[in-house]
Amino acid sequence: GAVVSQHPSRVICKSGTSVKIECRSLDFQATTMFWYRQFPKQSLMLMATSNEGSKATYEQGVEKDKFLINHASLTLSTLTVTSAHPEDSSFYICSAREALIIGEQFFGPGTRLTVL
Amino acid sequence: DAKTTQPTSMDCAEGRAANLPCNHSTISGNEYVYWYRQIHSQGPQYIIHGLKNNETNEMASLIITEDRKSSTLILPHATLRDTAVYYCIVRSNTNAGKSTFGDGTTLTVKP
Repeated sequence: GAVVSQHPSRVICKSGTSVKIECRSLDFQATTMFWYRQFPKQSLMLMATSNEGSKATYEQGVEKDKFLINHASLTLSTLTVTSAHPEDSSFYICSAREALIIGEQFFGPGTRLTVL
Repeated sequence: DAKTTQPTSMDCAEGRAANLPCNHSTISGNEYVYWYRQIHSQGPQYIIHGLKNNETNEMASLIITEDRKSSTLILPHATLRDTAVYYCIVRSNTNAGKSTFGDGTTLTVKP
């Protein structure tokens, strides 16, 4: 299957700083990418959907000014957690949908964010 | 996208078949059934998907009832490495379709 990578795999930062997480589709072009957040012992929660070259669509309750999403190319999307606080500590997972085969959705390995 | 209902947890003996049920009674005609699994601290892994016919691949089989209101994922010979949370998702294959995760089933394979 297609491969989606995330960088970094884990990051620890101080409260008030911003953190950028990259999501790349390595061997396919992704017109749509999704960002999820997962707290311990909970399911994945969809945060936003981004389409290449356009603004992201955020789910209800997700602050767009806090979680900045950029999808500048067909292989790269970034999530920036601005002014991070301890409650933002979570497992962030991206997913990419292949342009040619509508419906196929592949997930990255996740990024563990810890805000001190 | 339709909602799904799965049992919270299941146990299975190593080497035996694991049958994981999923109810999706509000599924619409253009929605597919997808199964993913998540091993601790990793991203979800695609297993299988189907529309109305039963499907089989190297990992599992998917049985969808004729009315499409429920399905069963079958792992034919479960191993300890199959211990994971299994998610059943229904979504359309249009550009608007997105995967919304329920609570899933925690499958524990025991020796």
